[in-house]
Amino acid sequence: AQRVTQPEKLLSVFKGAPVELKCNYSYSGSPELFWYVQYSRQRLQLLLRHISRESIKGFTADLNKGETSFHLKKPFAQEEDSAMYYCAPHLKAAGNKLTFGGGTRVLVKP
Amino acid sequence: ETGVTQSPTHLIKTRGQQVTLRCSSQSGHNTVSWYQQALGQGPQFIFQYYREEENGRGNFPPRFSGLQFPNYSSELNVNALELDDSALYLCASSLKLQEETQYFGPGTRLLVL
Repeated sequence: AQRVTQPEKLLSVFKGAPVELKCNYSYSGSPELFWYVQYSRQRLQLLLRHISRESIKGFTADLNKGETSFHLKKPFAQEEDSAMYYCAPHLKAAGNKLTFGGGTRVLVKP
Repeated sequence: ETGVTQSPTHLIKTRGQQVTLRCSSQSGHNTVSWYQQALGQGPQFIFQYYREEENGRGNFPPRFSGLQFPNYSSELNVNALELDDSALYLCASSLKLQEETQYFGPGTRLLVL
């Protein structure tokens, strides 16, 4: 069965500290991996996708196929990074749908 | 360019009633997906529509149904509402069927009493 796990419900860090959000997935195929973010009072939006290999707002995500993980990292967290983050594998063979993890709330303290 | 819009923003219904939620896709997008987000959880895929036909369905009963219109706007209908249907319902559109990036609307919050 396809499954995506975000083990941390809440991550609280101080401004300037590194932050890492964990995501583990269990899929029979080779999914595309996405991170979506929801800032307070805003709609869910794409943060980054692994195939683009970009750094967005200082965030990067490394796909580790051996460990089936797609952790999101930022070396120096900012207060505006406080938000809800969702890992979302996408497998075309599964009907072109996003499967979201339970989400991790990041709180960056001043 | 207009983003994804949903109506209404909030809705209160009683158990057993029926509800229709509406979504207008982002301009030029022909694919729409609906998700249910219960409190404290990630969104769960309900179904997807492409060119007015259902193209994939999640683990939801048949009382959840949908429509997509020629202008690519969409409806989600839920019959025989249950208390557990209380959730935020999200609509997301994408430029084409094989385009994985989805653009989300603000959601409709449904409360079933």
